[in-house]
Amino acid sequence: DTGVSQNPRHKITKRGQNVTFRCDPISEHNRLYWYRQTLGQGPEFLTYFQNEAQLEKSRLLSDRFSAERPKGSFSTLEIQRTEQGDSAMYLCASSLGINQPQHFGDGTRLSIL
Amino acid sequence: KQEVTQIPAALSVPEGENLVLNCSFTDSAIYNLQWFRQDPGKGLTSLLLIQSSQREQTSGRLNASLDKSSGRSTLYIAASQPGDSATYLCAVRASGGSYIPTFGRGTSLIVHP
Repeated sequence: DTGVSQNPRHKITKRGQNVTFRCDPISEHNRLYWYRQTLGQGPEFLTYFQNEAQLEKSRLLSDRFSAERPKGSFSTLEIQRTEQGDSAMYLCASSLGINQPQHFGDGTRLSIL
Repeated sequence: KQEVTQIPAALSVPEGENLVLNCSFTDSAIYNLQWFRQDPGKGLTSLLLIQSSQREQTSGRLNASLDKSSGRSTLYIAASQPGDSATYLCAVRASGGSYIPTFGRGTSLIVHP
């Protein structure tokens, strides 16, 4: 069990650029979640996958956001045409099932200049 | 819509004290509740997971209880240590199809020597 891995740890970019984050879940975990967290707040749900199927998306996930999980392994979260309000910590979590605990990565901190 | 509140927002105690952190939720139709700790700039570390059919879970110096009917969970930390300093978050997973976790804002705990 090597834990959930997220890359990069930090991303600084100019407004309007596209960014992509990667999450490698714990192997054999079929559920993968993406959250966004801003300072002083709890994580806010964005989307989740069961294997390769994206089962639910939050209303927070505008058309500029897209997530994939090809082959049910790693996942990517892409933000197009970044805006100042996208600055946040993006967290990924995985679990073996609904009734199993979620395990989080250390997140990717996005800063928009 | 599920709302999760954590009280107090911040807590500072001397080492050795026993602590109670509170988590309340508005919709009692939950699937499970999970407690996490988060260190600055890091992801979330799972502490305890309580299923809706359970009343409490224990791990070392930590004990979490769940009272669904009153919409409350408490996290009890015995004999606090400086290493317990972190933000503690609870997440409630709704039942009834969505199973999306809703997080509270957390309780920021400082244990001073």
